[in-house]
Amino acid sequence: QQQVKQSPQSLIVQKGGISIINCAYENTAFDYFPWYQQFPGKGPALLIAIRPDVSEKKEGRFTISFNKSAKQFSLHIMDSQPGDSATYFCADILSGTYKYIFGTGTRLKVLA
Amino acid sequence: GAVVSQHPSWVICKSGTSVKIECRSLDFQATTMFWYRQFPKQSLMLMATSNEGSKATYEQGVEKDKFLINHASLTLSTLTVTSAHPEDSSFYICSARKNSGNQPQHFGDGTRLSIL
Repeated sequence: QQQVKQSPQSLIVQKGGISIINCAYENTAFDYFPWYQQFPGKGPALLIAIRPDVSEKKEGRFTISFNKSAKQFSLHIMDSQPGDSATYFCADILSGTYKYIFGTGTRLKVLA
Repeated sequence: GAVVSQHPSWVICKSGTSVKIECRSLDFQATTMFWYRQFPKQSLMLMATSNEGSKATYEQGVEKDKFLINHASLTLSTLTVTSAHPEDSSFYICSARKNSGNQPQHFGDGTRLSIL
């Protein structure tokens, strides 16, 4: 069964620190690799996504690093803020479909 | 932008009631929409794929007669939880993807369903 392995499950970071979340995927046919951010009681919001022909993408304080040979991609949050406290999900796509397979999620808490 | 609106955001009803949840793509057309269920502190679990103009496809273990899906237009899908019972209480989330190419899914804000 196709899986997405996300780590860590939870993360506590001091304000101003760097938060790093990792994701290992199986399906190399994905056209992009997304990270979603979910606040309590809300749906996931697309935070940032990277195409497989790019090794790194930066949007403000958020950076995705992509390692195709290792089938891994990671989310880096620079200068982490309390407002970044949320659950983050990566996703892979089920081979031959448009269906997402989500990682187990990482609960990030940024201390003020 | 890619805005998905979900309504209602919260519903409480008595056991045995049927509840309809709407999912609308506001600024794009979506041939395909998805319905998820999420339990507290867990990841999203795909329930079904909603296809405009055709029958929905359900994931293994999801009762199609319990969770009725209708996707009558390119901007609207509905999920009806029929004869709801307390065990159906959950957070239901829809998503939609733009028709062109392999696009990311965009999610609604979810519906908190509580069955008394």
